[in-house]
Parts: sequence; C-alpha cells; structure tokens
Amino acid sequence: GENVEQHPSTLSVQEGDSAVIKCTYSDSASNYFPWYKQELGKRPQLIIDIRSNVGEKKDQRIAVTLNKTAKHFSLHITETQPEDSAVYFCAASKRAGGTSYGKLTFGQGTILTVHP
Amino acid sequence: EAGVAQSPRYKIIEKRQSVAFWCNPISGHATLYWYQQILGQGPKLLIQFQNNGVVDDSQLPKDRFSAERLKGVDSTLKIQPAKLEDSAVYLCASSLQGVYNEQFFGPGTRLTVL
Repeated sequence: GENVEQHPSTLSVQEGDSAVIKCTYSDSASNYFPWYKQELGKRPQLIIDIRSNVGEKKDQRIAVTLNKTAKHFSLHITETQPEDSAVYFCAASKRAGGTSYGKLTFGQGTILTVHP
Repeated sequence: EAGVAQSPRYKIIEKRQSVAFWCNPISGHATLYWYQQILGQGPKLLIQFQNNGVVDDSQLPKDRFSAERLKGVDSTLKIQPAKLEDSAVYLCASSLQGVYNEQFFGPGTRLTVL
C-alpha cells in the first residue's frame, strides 16, 4: 500500500519568514495530494491540494509543488503569521481503480510554530 | 451548509468494555470515512463506505472493530472489547463521490481507554 513520509516533524520560524514542509510517497499511481491544517483540538481542514497533471499550485501565501518523477511534493507558506501555527498533514490518494479509490494516506504531521 | 456531526465528543471507558461512535455526514455526500488518529500521528483510514457499501476496510481490526452505514447516511463505529491502544481520536469524514472531492472532517470523538 501507499506510504507517505513527512519532514520535518517540527518547524519553528519567525513571523514573516517562509516555511517549507516536504513529503514523499511510494505509490506511483497516486495522483491527488491534499494538505490539511489541524489546529489544537480541532478537525483537519483542507488548505490546498494538487493533482498529478500540474507541477505547482498557488493560493495567496500558500503554494504546493509536485515532482512526480521523484515522488515528492512540498508545501510552501510565505510571510508566515502567528495564526499559521498548527499541525500540517500531507496526504496522497489514487484517483480510481481497485478498493483504494479515494483513500487518503496521511503523513505523520509537522508542528509549525510561528513566533511573533 | 451543516458540517459533519459526530457524537459523543469524549468517551472514557475501561479496557474490555464496549463503545460506539456515531457520525452524520454532510447531506448528499455518498462517501463516508472513519479515521483513527493516535496522538502525534496522522489520521489512519479504518473504513470507507460508498453509500451503504464498504469500499475499503483493509486497516480495520475486524476482531474488535465493526462499522455500518445503514441506508447510506448515518454511520456507527463500534469497538468491542476495547484495548488500551485504542485510545485515540476517531474522525469521521465525508465527501461527494470521486477522489478529487474534498473530504470534510467532523470534530472527532476522543476515546480514552483506562
């Protein structure tokens, strides 16, 4: 089955700095890669996603890049703010086929702390 | 629109007892997921339903866990008997049919097994 590795496990930055979180996946058939933000005691919420037919996607201060050949994808947050502090999870999924249709395999999470 | 509802929000039981969790997905969402999130880890899929049929239950410990989704709407997840290692947050999520559709998560049920 799919295996997703996420690094770093913790990341501490100063307000205004950039933050980068990296993930690798094992199943070359995976073609959908969402990123979720989970604040303490809250539910995970989707912040951005990317499909395998594009290499980069941006939404204001957040961007995601995908390298299918190397099987890795990254989350980039620019101009970080204290409210960006949370746990971030990457995930991978296959579009169709077999019993794993739509199943998300999550990384272990990155605790991001943005210091004012 | 109303989000995914779960109950109870917290549950404390002793090992070997039974427990059940309930989930009400977003109206119209055909796909429903149950995840287990152990402290400090990412969510792990336990079971996925498409309407009232099981799509994937490969990571469900079937000797003690069971789940059903009658009429393709609400779902219940049961643990019987519970073990200490079952302490976790149990998250329910739902989505429209199709893998590109966002999965919306419920608030979760925090289970503590003593």
